[in-house]
Amino acid sequence: DGGITQSPKYLFRKEGQNVTLSCEQNLNHDAMYWYRQDPGQGLRLIYYSQIVNDFQKGDIAEGYSVSREKKESFPLTVTSAQKNPTAFYLCATQDRTPYNEQFFGPGTRLTVL
Amino acid sequence: AQKVTQAQTEISVVEKEDVTLDCVYETRDTTYYLFWYKQPPSGELVFLIRRNSFDEQNEISGRYSWNFQKSTSSFNFTITASQVVDSAVYFCALSGWSGNTPLVFGKGTRLSVIA
Repeated sequence: DGGITQSPKYLFRKEGQNVTLSCEQNLNHDAMYWYRQDPGQGLRLIYYSQIVNDFQKGDIAEGYSVSREKKESFPLTVTSAQKNPTAFYLCATQDRTPYNEQFFGPGTRLTVL
Repeated sequence: AQKVTQAQTEISVVEKEDVTLDCVYETRDTTYYLFWYKQPPSGELVFLIRRNSFDEQNEISGRYSWNFQKSTSSFNFTITASQVVDSAVYFCALSGWSGNTPLVFGKGTRLSVIA
């Protein structure tokens, strides 16, 4: 089946630890995105990548890092520098067609203990 | 800069009522796309509709309809005869015309449909 997978669905980490969230797609889409969602805040863009081996910071990149070594994969690392990492994280892809809509994975809920 | 405003934070309606979700946007671009997404309790965002800035025709899909008015920079979403399954958070979003550009999302409207 074509789609976007994010793992794990729930993630718990201790303060001071780095953690990596996985995002994989088999839609053959060029662009991939990471968003953070907090209650009442909507979706805020963390990082995005329009092509392999290239990525750009979004609005709230501090404390996060990404890599894009393969078209199918865009992992997000939440570092210990991120002061308030507890949130719902959504990965999305976007095809290079004229229409620009994004397609979303099921999300990962990260809780810092 | 682009901006999307969804002034209604939460709306509650009784089943079978009609409900309209408001979306107002700001952009300096002359060509752009507008979108609506639904986020059910499971969390995954579901794409509902895309509209480009050239096309101001209203669209109807079953119980859903969208009213795009460029003159007022609005792209409102109406659910007719609401059902409990419509309960979700709805997001309006805006993007530039170029391919693979980020979407700018509003903060969402939480709709609760009560049986």
